[in-house]
Amino acid sequence: IVLTQSPGILSLSPGERATLSCRASQSISSRNLGWYQQKPGQAPRFLIYAASSRATGIPDRFSGSGSGTDFTLTITRLEPEDFAVYYCQQYGSSPWTFGQGTKVEIK
Amino acid sequence: EVQLVESGGAVVQPGGSLRLSCAASGFTFDDCSMNWVRQPPGKGLEWVSLISWEGGSTYYADSVKGRFTISRDNSKNSLYLEMNSLTIEDTALYYCAKSQGSSWSGFDIWGQGTMVIVSS
Repeated sequence: IVLTQSPGILSLSPGERATLSCRASQSISSRNLGWYQQKPGQAPRFLIYAASSRATGIPDRFSGSGSGTDFTLTITRLEPEDFAVYYCQQYGSSPWTFGQGTKVEIK
Repeated sequence: EVQLVESGGAVVQPGGSLRLSCAASGFTFDDCSMNWVRQPPGKGLEWVSLISWEGGSTYYADSVKGRFTISRDNSKNSLYLEMNSLTIEDTALYYCAKSQGSSWSGFDIWGQGTMVIVSS
C-alpha cells in the first residue's frame, strides 16, 4: 500500500492551524493508520494511532481523522516545538509502509 | 524508564555483513512484536522487518528479503538484525521500534538509531 502525503512542505506561523493529508493507494481500515512526528536529529515520535486516537502524552492540539483512503492530521494552533516532519503509516498489511513525509516549517 | 538502545552500526564495504543489536528495558519485552526501521541520510522512513513476540513470525521489506534476518532473544531482552550482501542503498540510520500491541499496530517506542554506512 503506497501512502502519498501532501503538501510536501507547509509554511505556517506559530498559532496557525496545520492540516496534513495522507492518501492511501487502496482502502485501509482506520484502525491501521498512524502518524509520527520527527524533529532533526531525533527519532520519530508516535502521535496518533487508529487514525484518531492520541498516543500517550500527546497534547490535544493534535488530532487525526479520516477513513478509507483519505486521512488527515490537524494541529489546531502551532506551537514552536511543532515545526517538524510528519509521517503517516499503515500497519494493517505487510509491508508496513510510511508516507514520504510533510515538513511543517516556520513561515 | 522505557528504552531501546541500538548498537552495531559501522562502516562496511559493499558485499559485507553486519549485525545490529537492540537492548530493551522498562517494558515486558516478550509481550511485544519488534521492528527495524531505517532512514537514509536526508530521506524518509522505510520499514525493514518485524518479528512477533515469540519469534515465530517474521516479515521483511522486499528490498532486504533474502539478505537480512531478524531475530530476538527474549531471555536477554534483545533484538537483532543480521545484514548480509550489503549494498550502498543500505546506508541508513537503523532504528529499533516496539509495536504498540500486536504485530498489526503502530510503533510506540523508538531507539535513537545506529548508523550503517556501506562504502568502498
